[in-house]
Amino acid sequence: QVQLQESGPGLVKPSETLSLTCSVSGGSVNSGSYSWNWIRQPPGRALEWIGNIDSRGSTNYNPSLKSRVTISLDTSKNQFSLRLSSVIAADTAVYYCVRETILNSAMSKWGQGTLVTVSS
Amino acid sequence: QSVLTQPPSVSAAPGQMVTISCSGSNSNVENYYVSWYQQLPGTAPKLLIYENNRRPSGIPDRFSGSKSGTSATLGITGLQTGDEADYYCGTWDSSLTAKVFGGGTKLTVL
Repeated sequence: QVQLQESGPGLVKPSETLSLTCSVSGGSVNSGSYSWNWIRQPPGRALEWIGNIDSRGSTNYNPSLKSRVTISLDTSKNQFSLRLSSVIAADTAVYYCVRETILNSAMSKWGQGTLVTVSS
Repeated sequence: QSVLTQPPSVSAAPGQMVTISCSGSNSNVENYYVSWYQQLPGTAPKLLIYENNRRPSGIPDRFSGSKSGTSATLGITGLQTGDEADYYCGTWDSSLTAKVFGGGTKLTVL
């Protein structure tokens, strides 16, 4: 049974870079059947897709965040990562890493989420 | 302002049925698979419906999905207090070139 687990700092200062890692167990990030996504949810608000990466390392980003986002894959550690630069208070959210089945676009496996607060 | 429009809240009594709508456009709902997610309080979302109307293993048949044109609908029958949660629809938007979600609907089982 695949499991995803987010890790990273819970507090980031404004203008700095938010960095999170998602560790995948029970499955491989090398599988061509899936893409690996980051989704966030500000407190009390709706889900927002940040972007994804597939097993070949091909990325897609939300145009509203594209200039600040980098998603990368580390197959040796079976992990994928998120970097969001120049953060502001509005980037405060619970960040989820999510596995998506490419064939049917189903976000089938979610990490438990990690709260990142942007504050000085 | 979400690209997909959902009612902010719905409510019904235990044992009753409820539907949750998800309204979009021809750049999203009409031409792409719609998924539905259940988010229980304080937890991560969980996949309920994919490919418009298919249920992952383990999801009871009390939950159903449908789509017609630019709208999709989640149906829940035999409501239980444990169904109280936020429900989100999601799909791809070809104009935005992004995955999009609805604003979420809070289900209250009275």
